[in-house]
Amino acid sequence: ETGVTQTPRHLVMGMTNKKSLKCEQHLGHNAMYWYKQSAKKPLELMFVYSLEERVENNSVPSRFSPECPNSSHLFLHLHTLQPEDSALYLCASSPGQGGAGELFFGEGSRLTVL
Amino acid sequence: AQSVTQLDSQVPVFEEAPVELRCNYSSSVSVYLFWYVQYPNQGLQLLLKYLSGSTLVKGINGFEAEFNKSQTSFHLRKPSVHISDTAEYFCAVSRNNFNKFYFGSGTKLNVKP
Repeated sequence: ETGVTQTPRHLVMGMTNKKSLKCEQHLGHNAMYWYKQSAKKPLELMFVYSLEERVENNSVPSRFSPECPNSSHLFLHLHTLQPEDSALYLCASSPGQGGAGELFFGEGSRLTVL
Repeated sequence: AQSVTQLDSQVPVFEEAPVELRCNYSSSVSVYLFWYVQYPNQGLQLLLKYLSGSTLVKGINGFEAEFNKSQTSFHLRKPSVHISDTAEYFCAVSRNNFNKFYFGSGTKLNVKP
């Protein structure tokens, strides 16, 4: 496989469930990101990891918990979500060359919270 | 934090017509600028980027963009669009030495036959 792979592509969960989103990159990049994409809103940066250390937590509620066990894998653990958390969650990676290296995106995980 | 404004949420255009998608950003420091495209049910793909040098940047699929520092703009253009260009387009900025990218709210380009 090449590029950035996200699983699952679709997820439906109740407000009391616990689930996880997985992201894997095969590009040898040093930085990984979680973005939230909601209709008619700008992409919201949630978390940034650089060399497996979290360098950004953009005021995200604690019901979202990221994990970066190594530079190739990124998880987003979900628990007690709200219906307004329904969105497309996009994972991305970049070489980590400051802001000059562009983002490479996965195809996203479509989350529906009932 | 950076701010990116895409002035048009939707742009309808006929096939083979020219198109311009507008992007303005707010920053008092040097930035890097990007345009991404998102086709239905897919992630974002890079169209082009401006890092330094020539202010006219050429990208994939015949798109180009011009960086205007005085107007803090980075508008995307294509002289003749195709049906296959129907997608959502996002402008983004980042700063040197920072691994943070800020996106606009997107412009949906609808190319009609």
